[in-house]
Amino acid sequence: AQSVTQLDSHVSVSEGTPVLLRCNYSSSYSPSLFWYVQHPNKGLQLLLKYTSAATLVKGINGFEAEFKKSETSFHLTKPSAHMSDAAEYFCVVRTESGGGADGLTFGKGTHLIIQP
Amino acid sequence: DSGVTQTPKHLITATGQRVTLRCSPRSGDLSVYWYQQSLDQGLQFLIQYYNGEERAKGNILERFSAQQFPDLHSELNLSSLELGDSALYFCASSVSSGGRYEQYFGPGTRLTVT
Repeated sequence: AQSVTQLDSHVSVSEGTPVLLRCNYSSSYSPSLFWYVQHPNKGLQLLLKYTSAATLVKGINGFEAEFKKSETSFHLTKPSAHMSDAAEYFCVVRTESGGGADGLTFGKGTHLIIQP
Repeated sequence: DSGVTQTPKHLITATGQRVTLRCSPRSGDLSVYWYQQSLDQGLQFLIQYYNGEERAKGNILERFSAQQFPDLHSELNLSSLELGDSALYFCASSVSSGGRYEQYFGPGTRLTVT
Protein backbone atom coordinates (compact mmCIF):
# COMPACT_ATOMS: atom_id res chain seq x y z
CA ALA A 1 0.00 0.00 0.00
CA GLN A 2 1.13 3.52 -0.75
CA SER A 3 1.75 6.03 2.02
CA VAL A 4 3.51 9.32 2.67
CA THR A 5 5.20 10.65 5.79
CA GLN A 6 5.72 14.33 6.33
CA LEU A 7 8.67 14.62 8.63
CA ASP A 8 7.82 17.98 10.21
CA SER A 9 4.45 19.03 11.59
CA HIS A 10 5.59 22.68 11.79
CA VAL A 11 8.29 24.61 9.96
CA SER A 12 9.13 28.23 10.73
CA VAL A 13 11.32 30.36 8.46
CA SER A 14 12.02 34.05 8.05
CA GLU A 15 10.69 35.92 5.06
CA GLY A 16 13.23 35.84 2.24
CA THR A 17 14.94 32.64 3.41
CA PRO A 18 14.68 29.20 1.78
CA VAL A 19 11.85 26.79 2.54
CA LEU A 20 12.26 23.01 2.85
CA LEU A 21 9.28 20.76 3.58
CA ARG A 22 10.21 17.11 3.82
CA CYS A 23 8.23 14.13 2.60
CA ASN A 24 9.06 10.44 2.33
CA TYR A 25 6.88 8.02 0.45
CA SER A 26 6.30 4.31 0.46
CA SER A 27 5.14 2.58 -2.69
CA SER A 28 5.61 -0.78 -4.29
CA TYR A 29 5.96 0.79 -7.72
CA SER A 30 6.66 4.14 -9.30
CA PRO A 31 4.22 6.46 -7.59
CA SER A 32 2.37 9.59 -8.64
CA LEU A 33 3.19 12.23 -6.04
CA PHE A 34 1.71 15.64 -5.42
CA TRP A 35 2.04 18.62 -3.14
CA TYR A 36 -1.13 20.50 -2.21
CA VAL A 37 -1.45 23.72 -0.22
CA GLN A 38 -4.33 24.77 2.00
CA HIS A 39 -4.57 28.38 3.12
CA PRO A 40 -6.66 29.12 6.22
CA ASN A 41 -10.36 28.51 5.63
CA LYS A 42 -9.70 27.68 1.99
CA GLY A 43 -9.80 24.59 -0.17
CA LEU A 44 -6.87 22.59 -1.45
CA GLN A 45 -4.77 23.86 -4.32
CA LEU A 46 -2.36 21.75 -6.36
CA LEU A 47 1.20 23.08 -6.18
CA LEU A 48 2.92 20.50 -8.34
CA LYS A 49 2.89 16.86 -9.39
CA TYR A 50 5.36 14.13 -10.24
CA THR A 51 4.28 11.46 -12.70
CA SER A 52 7.53 9.71 -13.70
CA ALA A 53 8.72 12.29 -16.20
CA ALA A 54 11.42 14.75 -14.99
CA THR A 55 12.56 14.13 -11.43
CA LEU A 56 12.74 17.87 -10.71
CA VAL A 57 9.26 19.26 -10.84
CA LYS A 58 8.44 22.95 -10.95
CA GLY A 59 5.17 24.18 -9.56
CA ILE A 60 3.30 27.38 -8.98
CA ASN A 61 4.45 30.31 -6.85
CA GLY A 62 8.14 29.42 -7.15
CA PHE A 63 7.88 26.01 -5.49
CA GLU A 64 9.63 22.93 -6.78
CA ALA A 65 10.17 19.36 -5.64
CA GLU A 66 12.67 16.66 -6.47
CA PHE A 67 11.77 13.00 -6.71
CA LYS A 68 14.60 10.84 -5.34
CA LYS A 69 13.88 7.17 -5.74
CA SER A 70 17.00 6.05 -3.86
CA GLU A 71 15.89 8.05 -0.83
CA THR A 72 12.12 7.57 -1.37
CA SER A 73 11.77 11.29 -0.88
CA PHE A 74 9.81 14.09 -2.51
CA HIS A 75 10.83 17.23 -0.63
CA LEU A 76 9.27 20.61 -1.43
CA THR A 77 11.51 23.68 -1.68
CA LYS A 78 11.32 27.37 -2.44
CA PRO A 79 14.36 29.65 -2.64
CA SER A 80 12.82 32.63 -0.88
CA ALA A 81 9.79 32.55 1.41
CA HIS A 82 7.04 35.13 1.16
CA MET A 83 4.51 36.00 3.81
CA SER A 84 1.74 34.71 1.55
CA ASP A 85 3.31 31.22 1.68
CA ALA A 86 2.07 30.73 5.25
CA ALA A 87 -0.30 27.77 4.99
CA GLU A 88 -0.69 24.03 5.51
CA TYR A 89 1.14 21.86 2.97
CA PHE A 90 0.24 18.27 2.17
CA CYS A 91 2.38 15.65 0.49
CA VAL A 92 0.11 13.25 -1.36
CA VAL A 93 0.44 9.92 -3.16
CA ARG A 94 -2.10 8.53 -5.56
CA THR A 95 -3.49 5.25 -4.30
CA GLU A 96 -4.07 3.16 -7.38
CA SER A 97 -5.86 -0.04 -6.57
CA GLY A 98 -6.67 -1.24 -10.04
CA GLY A 99 -9.65 -0.78 -12.34
CA GLY A 100 -9.11 2.96 -12.46
CA ALA A 101 -9.66 3.42 -8.73
CA ASP A 102 -7.39 6.22 -7.61
CA GLY A 103 -8.12 8.04 -4.39
CA LEU A 104 -5.39 10.17 -2.86
CA THR A 105 -3.55 9.36 0.36
CA PHE A 106 -2.55 12.50 2.26
CA GLY A 107 0.27 13.07 4.68
CA LYS A 108 -0.59 14.67 8.00
CA GLY A 109 0.47 18.08 6.77
CA THR A 110 3.21 20.58 7.55
CA HIS A 111 2.23 23.97 8.92
CA LEU A 112 4.52 26.58 7.39
CA ILE A 113 5.03 29.74 9.45
CA ILE A 114 6.73 32.77 7.92
CA GLN A 115 8.38 35.15 10.34
CA PRO A 116 8.60 38.80 9.23
CA ASP B 1 -11.26 29.04 -8.34
CA SER B 2 -10.96 25.33 -9.21
CA GLY B 3 -14.30 25.11 -11.00
CA VAL B 4 -15.62 22.55 -8.49
CA THR B 5 -18.58 23.81 -6.50
CA GLN B 6 -19.94 22.50 -3.24
CA THR B 7 -23.09 23.35 -1.35
CA PRO B 8 -23.84 24.23 1.32
CA LYS B 9 -20.75 26.00 2.61
CA HIS B 10 -21.68 25.44 6.23
CA LEU B 11 -24.09 23.01 7.84
CA ILE B 12 -25.05 22.74 11.49
CA THR B 13 -27.21 19.86 12.61
CA ALA B 14 -27.94 17.68 15.61
CA THR B 15 -26.85 14.17 16.45
CA GLY B 16 -28.96 11.48 14.88
CA GLN B 17 -29.93 13.61 11.91
CA ARG B 18 -29.26 13.06 8.21
CA VAL B 19 -27.71 15.55 5.79
CA THR B 20 -26.85 15.70 2.11
CA LEU B 21 -23.81 17.44 0.70
CA ARG B 22 -23.74 18.36 -2.96
CA CYS B 23 -20.87 18.64 -5.41
CA SER B 24 -20.72 19.83 -9.02
CA PRO B 25 -17.51 18.81 -10.79
CA ARG B 26 -15.59 20.91 -13.28
CA SER B 27 -17.12 20.95 -16.72
CA GLY B 28 -16.05 17.81 -18.57
CA ASP B 29 -14.75 15.94 -15.53
CA LEU B 30 -16.15 12.44 -15.21
CA SER B 31 -14.61 11.38 -11.92
CA VAL B 32 -15.71 12.67 -8.53
CA TYR B 33 -14.04 12.01 -5.19
CA TRP B 34 -15.12 12.72 -1.62
CA TYR B 35 -12.71 13.43 1.24
CA GLN B 36 -13.15 14.14 4.93
CA GLN B 37 -10.83 16.45 6.86
CA SER B 38 -10.96 16.28 10.64
CA LEU B 39 -8.54 17.31 13.36
CA ASP B 40 -7.90 13.79 14.61
CA GLN B 41 -7.96 11.82 11.32
CA GLY B 42 -6.52 14.41 8.95
CA LEU B 43 -7.55 14.22 5.30
CA GLN B 44 -9.06 10.88 4.33
CA PHE B 45 -10.36 9.55 1.05
CA LEU B 46 -13.96 8.39 1.34
CA ILE B 47 -15.25 7.31 -2.06
CA GLN B 48 -14.82 7.74 -5.81
CA TYR B 49 -17.36 7.74 -8.62
CA TYR B 50 -16.64 7.63 -12.30
CA ASN B 51 -19.32 8.45 -14.85
CA GLY B 52 -22.09 7.45 -12.50
CA GLU B 53 -20.57 4.28 -11.11
CA GLU B 54 -18.79 3.68 -7.85
CA ARG B 55 -15.11 3.08 -8.55
CA ALA B 56 -13.36 2.92 -5.17
CA LYS B 57 -14.07 3.08 -1.48
CA GLY B 58 -11.77 4.42 1.16
CA ASN B 59 -12.47 4.94 4.84
CA ILE B 60 -16.17 5.54 4.41
CA LEU B 61 -18.50 4.59 7.23
CA GLU B 62 -21.56 2.43 6.54
CA ARG B 63 -23.73 5.35 7.72
CA PHE B 64 -22.41 7.35 4.77
CA SER B 65 -23.34 6.84 1.15
CA ALA B 66 -22.85 8.69 -2.10
CA GLN B 67 -24.07 8.71 -5.65
CA GLN B 68 -23.26 10.39 -8.93
CA PHE B 69 -26.12 11.45 -11.15
CA PRO B 70 -26.40 11.44 -14.96
CA ASP B 71 -25.47 15.14 -15.09
CA LEU B 72 -22.31 14.10 -13.16
CA HIS B 73 -23.03 16.02 -9.99
CA SER B 74 -22.60 14.01 -6.83
CA GLU B 75 -24.18 13.88 -3.41
CA LEU B 76 -22.76 12.56 -0.16
CA ASN B 77 -25.38 11.41 2.33
CA LEU B 78 -24.48 11.25 5.99
CA SER B 79 -26.98 9.64 8.37
CA SER B 80 -27.32 8.93 12.09
CA LEU B 81 -24.85 11.72 12.62
CA GLU B 82 -22.50 11.65 15.57
CA LEU B 83 -20.41 14.39 17.14
CA GLY B 84 -17.31 12.82 15.60
CA ASP B 85 -18.68 13.38 12.10
CA SER B 86 -18.03 17.09 12.49
CA ALA B 87 -15.46 17.84 9.80
CA LEU B 88 -14.72 19.58 6.55
CA TYR B 89 -15.91 17.53 3.59
CA PHE B 90 -14.22 18.11 0.27
CA CYS B 91 -15.25 17.05 -3.18
CA ALA B 92 -12.69 16.78 -5.97
CA SER B 93 -13.00 16.03 -9.65
CA SER B 94 -10.71 14.92 -12.44
CA VAL B 95 -11.00 14.45 -16.17
CA SER B 96 -10.73 10.72 -15.98
CA SER B 97 -9.99 7.92 -13.62
CA GLY B 98 -6.59 6.40 -13.04
CA GLY B 99 -3.52 7.52 -14.94
CA ARG B 100 -1.86 10.79 -14.05
CA TYR B 101 -4.83 13.15 -13.90
CA GLU B 102 -4.76 15.66 -11.10
CA GLN B 103 -7.73 16.20 -8.86
CA TYR B 104 -9.23 19.66 -8.44
CA PHE B 105 -10.78 20.36 -5.07
CA GLY B 106 -13.88 22.32 -4.20
CA PRO B 107 -14.00 24.79 -1.29
CA GLY B 108 -15.51 22.23 1.06
CA THR B 109 -18.58 21.94 3.27
CA ARG B 110 -18.03 22.46 6.96
CA LEU B 111 -20.33 20.17 8.94
CA THR B 112 -20.91 20.79 12.62
CA VAL B 113 -22.85 18.20 14.58
CA THR B 114 -24.13 19.38 17.96
